[in-house]
Amino acid sequence: NAGVTQTPKFQVLKTGQSMTLQCAQDMNHEYMSWYRQDPGMGLRLIHYSVGAGITDQGEVPNGYNVSRSTTEDFPLRLLSAAPSQTSVYFCASRSHNTGNTEAFFGQGTRLTVV
Amino acid sequence: KQEVTQIPAALSVPEGENLVLNCSFTDSAIYNLQWFRQDPGKGLTSLLLIQSSQREQTSGRLNASLDKSSGRSTLYIAASQPGDSATYLCAVSSSGNKLVFGAGTILRVKS
Repeated sequence: NAGVTQTPKFQVLKTGQSMTLQCAQDMNHEYMSWYRQDPGMGLRLIHYSVGAGITDQGEVPNGYNVSRSTTEDFPLRLLSAAPSQTSVYFCASRSHNTGNTEAFFGQGTRLTVV
Repeated sequence: KQEVTQIPAALSVPEGENLVLNCSFTDSAIYNLQWFRQDPGKGLTSLLLIQSSQREQTSGRLNASLDKSSGRSTLYIAASQPGDSATYLCAVSSSGNKLVFGAGTILRVKS
């Protein structure tokens, strides 16, 4: 019963470093997305994908890249980490593209950029 | 642009009380509304999903209602327990398959 799995759970980066946050789901969901959660601001959409090979920008995409080569995996890349990217990152998946189904979330990656 | 507001931002109640959490959204053209629970340092756990054609959903002591025309949803928790203490998030799914979240209500149930 893995659901949505995110790695790592915690990460500390220095300003300017790059890294990839991993997200995998085993439910054969078409739709996957990345959010960041900051205090008092709720979750904001970074990037999303409606299927393998298709990605699009969300509300706060700057400084992040994504790709979707398989249905299962949706990694998030930080190109050059900045202190403003200190946040908790959540990956989510959902079946169907019409938005009419339940979303499932991973346990989050807590990222600190110093 | 869809905006979601949750009131109150924080709530503290004694054990056993019934309570209501509120969620409002600005664009009534939604596919569904989902309530989540988040424990400190943890991920989001889905509590209830209400489709746009539905008026309410129930799961155990939880009941969620949806009034799409007025842009409102409520989460009713009956006979609250200390284990209900968490942050409760409301999210709506609308155009472009995107979930838009409220900032959440921090609930503390005192024993």
